[in-house]
This record gives sequence, C-alpha cells and structure tokens, in this order.
Amino acid sequence: AQTVTQSQPEMSVQEAETVTLSCTYDTSESDYYLFWYKQPPSRQMILVIRQEAYKQQNATENRFSVNFQKAAKSFSLKISDSQLGDAAMYFCALYGNKLVFGAGTILRVKS
Amino acid sequence: NAGVTQTPKFRVLKTGQSMTLLCAQDMNHEYMYWYRQDPGMGLRLIHYSVGEGTTAKGEVPDGYNVSRLKKQNFLLGLESAAPSQTSVYFCASTGTDFYQPQHFGDGTRLSIL
Repeated sequence: AQTVTQSQPEMSVQEAETVTLSCTYDTSESDYYLFWYKQPPSRQMILVIRQEAYKQQNATENRFSVNFQKAAKSFSLKISDSQLGDAAMYFCALYGNKLVFGAGTILRVKS
Repeated sequence: NAGVTQTPKFRVLKTGQSMTLLCAQDMNHEYMYWYRQDPGMGLRLIHYSVGEGTTAKGEVPDGYNVSRLKKQNFLLGLESAAPSQTSVYFCASTGTDFYQPQHFGDGTRLSIL
C-alpha cells in the first residue's frame, strides 16, 4: 500500500521568511515520483515541484526546493523569501503504482 | 489556452437525482482523471482513463460512472446522488502516464441535499 502523510494541518510564515512543509510517505515500489501541488483560494491545483526517486539531487524551482531523504521516506518542501501569493493549501503526492495525495497543509503568510 | 475545463462550476442536487459532470481538455492528453476533494482527506481518485474508449476504477469508484467516448472529454456521472457525494470534484489530465505533472481543472462544487 502507498501512503502519504502531512503532519502539519496548518503553518504560518512571515513575509520574506523561510518555511518548510513536511511530508512522509511509504511505498514498496523501487521507482517512484514525488510531487508538491499548490491549491490557492481560486481552487485550481498547480504543480510546484517534482522529484524522481532515482535522482539523488534535490529538485529546485526558483524559491521552492525540496529535501528528499529517501532512506527516511521524507520529502519536505522549503519555500524561501515567502510572498503573500504563496498562501495556499499545499499537497504532497506520491506516484509508485498509483497516485496518492496527502491531506494537505494550509500555509498562511503574514505581512 | 484553455487547458482543462470543467462544467458546471457549482451544482446543488436533491438526493436521488442524477447528473453528469463534463471535463474537456485541449492538450491532446491520453490520460484523464476524476478526483474528489474532501476536508482532511486530500484528493482521492474516483475513476481514470488511459485513452479514448477506456476507463478504470480508482480508489473510491462506488456510486459513480464514467465515459470517455472522445479523447478530449471525460464524463463523470452520478446515477442516484447521495449526501455522501457532497464534495469538490476535480478533473485532471496528463500526457501519457500518471507520473507526469497533472493539469487540473478549476473544480466543481457539488452539494447533495
């Protein structure tokens, strides 16, 4: 079975600061993919970043980066220089033999 | 550049009524998906399709049916709506496999009274 756990229902960060969202997962697949999706109040889901499990190098996309710890089955998202537009629900997702989403973390950004 | 379009955006139904949600994509994607999003549970896959004329069950298929008669369209049907089906429904598509980034529609908020 595949599972994705986001242990932080809600997080807050001050504008321009850095925040890290946690995600742990479990899969028996040797080859898999991990994703972070953002869902702003507009409701549309947007891909933030993707990591292939076979790649040791952590994926980065501008202010967004991940800390992929394969042995620990951890996949956290770091947002640097947080902006008001980063406020959203963030979902961690895993694709091994099927696509599974975590329950989400609400990120609030304070000005 | 429309991407994935869902129709309607909002709907209220009475228990026992039927309805169809329409998803259309203009990216020539092979794979299409229907999810439901409920508080505290993330997105759960209802049904999916890997190509025109094909459908398959996802994690929570009971009470729903789907059809993919045309490559660009993926329909989700509720034959006899139940209050437990109150949710936000998302359609998504990917080019040729699950592991590719999903392109989502804006969602449909469905309430069953």
